[in-house]
Amino acid sequence: EAGVAQSPRYKIIEKRQSVAFWCNPISGHATLYWYQQILGQGPKLLIQFQNNGVVDDSQLPKDRFSAERLKGVDSTLKIQPAKLEDSAVYLCASSLDKGRSPHEQYFGPGTRLTVT
Amino acid sequence: GNSVTQMEGPVTLSEEAFLTINCTYTATGYPSLFWYVQYPGEGLQLLLKATKADDKGSNKGFEATYRKETTSFHLEKGSVQVSDSAVYFCALRLNTGGFKTIFGAGTRLFVKA
Repeated sequence: EAGVAQSPRYKIIEKRQSVAFWCNPISGHATLYWYQQILGQGPKLLIQFQNNGVVDDSQLPKDRFSAERLKGVDSTLKIQPAKLEDSAVYLCASSLDKGRSPHEQYFGPGTRLTVT
Repeated sequence: GNSVTQMEGPVTLSEEAFLTINCTYTATGYPSLFWYVQYPGEGLQLLLKATKADDKGSNKGFEATYRKETTSFHLEKGSVQVSDSAVYFCALRLNTGGFKTIFGAGTRLFVKA
């Protein structure tokens, strides 16, 4: 089966500009995650969707970050305006999670964002 | 709060050496525990997992045992290869609410030929 797809793979922008990332999860996976991975650190959950509803967005900087999952499939993550500290790899992951039992997360290759 | 602490890297070993990467956790309830691996230029991949106390996860020669009494999940391999060079992340997944996953900071492993 096809894995989690993300685009673009790399993006360089200036501070105060806006940027959007796209994620296509594995077909049939109910749960979709966006993580931020700063160099030298582990991934930090930004937002988690169950189908097209938000389960957890407690660590999403809502003044500048937004995310949506249209029709419970694809998702976009937007940053507007970007700051230097947003430079990181943005990872998308998905899991099957039918019912209450948690399943393995599958990660995409990530989008490396550099803010100058 | 919930957290994962793993040993700082980098860890540098010669080929065929024994590997241990320490991981301890703090969590409410009874989380599932994972090791993920990130090879250069690639995304995270699940290496192994354990879902309850005393479970042993294993894959590709790597092993880790869920120790509830010491809240640990140390990664071991008896004989490392150059191809094992990567960053290893320990993680826990809460088994309540939204099943949130919390990652450690990662440990970079270099294996020399």
